[in-house]
Amino acid sequence: RKEVEQDPGPFNVPEGATVAFNCTYSNSASQSFFWYRQDCRKEPKLLMSVYSSGNEDGRFTAQLNRASQYISLLIRDSKLSDSATYLCVSDTGRRALTFGSGTRLQVQP
Amino acid sequence: DVKVTQSSRYLVKRTGEKVFLECVQDMDHENMFWYRQDPGLGLRLIYFSYDVKMKEKGDIPEGYSVSREKKERFSLILESASTNQTSMYLCASRSGTGALYGYTFGSGTRLTVV
Repeated sequence: RKEVEQDPGPFNVPEGATVAFNCTYSNSASQSFFWYRQDCRKEPKLLMSVYSSGNEDGRFTAQLNRASQYISLLIRDSKLSDSATYLCVSDTGRRALTFGSGTRLQVQP
Repeated sequence: DVKVTQSSRYLVKRTGEKVFLECVQDMDHENMFWYRQDPGLGLRLIYFSYDVKMKEKGDIPEGYSVSREKKERFSLILESASTNQTSMYLCASRSGTGALYGYTFGSGTRLTVV
């Protein structure tokens, strides 16, 4: 079983929609988490970190549920430019982070 | 902003060649990492380094080695390239551990072994 699991999608949503992705993790030592965004054939870029119950940054809200061992990312008022792959990442306190395989989002006009 | 620079965006090499992928970061980060990314498999850790001349194997080190002679530079070496090493290679650096310290990635090297 992978340490960080994500639904690969694709999630196809219209502009303006609200979309949510879930990510589950199996290592209870995971201390904090990150969401990265990766555009096609580009490197991943940090979207936000998640370390307590969650946090919000504009249209993006990340939530952490330690009891059920999942993290969610909610995107409100989707834009065409939000089309990308979203990577869920776990930090267990080791130097290296553990990545999920990503969830692909396609926002349609 | 931290900058992580990978020397080549695209490389084509022949089977059996020794291949060097270079990565340089400009913010004095202690930790540097090499990943490969393949469709359906996500990012897989090859090697990482937490100090000059220090290295640790990741999840898939076979067929690779690394070198860190200076803090800012971390090189990935394919000792004898094979077609199954065709992949996107991503270098990353990180200054510490914890929620404040995500990775910064280089722009990647897409390697094709023929």
